[in-house]
Amino acid sequence: QQQVKQSPQSLIVQKGGISIINCAYENTAFDYFPWYQQFPGKGPALLIAIRPDVSEKKEGRFTISFNKSAKQFSLHIMDSQPGDSATYFCAARKHGSRLTFGEGTQLTVNP
Amino acid sequence: GAVVSQHPSWVICKSGTSVKIECRSLDFQATTMFWYRQFPKQSLMLMATSNEGSKATYEQGVEKDKFLINHASLTLSTLTVTSAHPEDSSFYICSAIEPPGSNQPQHFGDGTRLSIL
Repeated sequence: QQQVKQSPQSLIVQKGGISIINCAYENTAFDYFPWYQQFPGKGPALLIAIRPDVSEKKEGRFTISFNKSAKQFSLHIMDSQPGDSATYFCAARKHGSRLTFGEGTQLTVNP
Repeated sequence: GAVVSQHPSWVICKSGTSVKIECRSLDFQATTMFWYRQFPKQSLMLMATSNEGSKATYEQGVEKDKFLINHASLTLSTLTVTSAHPEDSSFYICSAIEPPGSNQPQHFGDGTRLSIL
């Protein structure tokens, strides 16, 4: 009930391409779904987050798509850049509880 | 934006030493802070939840006498690794959650790399 499954484990994209990372959850009580970006040797940085009452949220080149019925959400990075190379974590949380993290996706954007 | 400051960023010390790591929320009051441990190429593993003015709640398998947590103010939580041994070497990351509001985003510090010789 508390799991969040993330895929793929690693992703290689060419500069200018679209990076897509997917997550699936089981607990229907989750009501907050953030994405974090982590560079080596640094802590995770909050990138973008969504609540289940909307199906899409866009901030710059980053978009979250949310499918409540399928219990899935995804991160799309448009016009991917080498500087986007990092590990991305999806997460989910129900109100008042702790974040449950996905396993992480190591993104490499080749120049 | 909200910032969580963690200090020190890197510690190298001898086995048997106790090490204290500080976590501060710089521009918001955090009644709840979290401490995580992260192994290379793995996700974050929650160690404990720290609530201001009360005892921390530890996750199963985390020794509370080994990892002492103090959350004495709304902007500061500390993690003390007591009598550290090489197996305690890891990347420790703190996190703070914003006060009740629309989403209560959770922000992370930049981590502390702990190396026990």
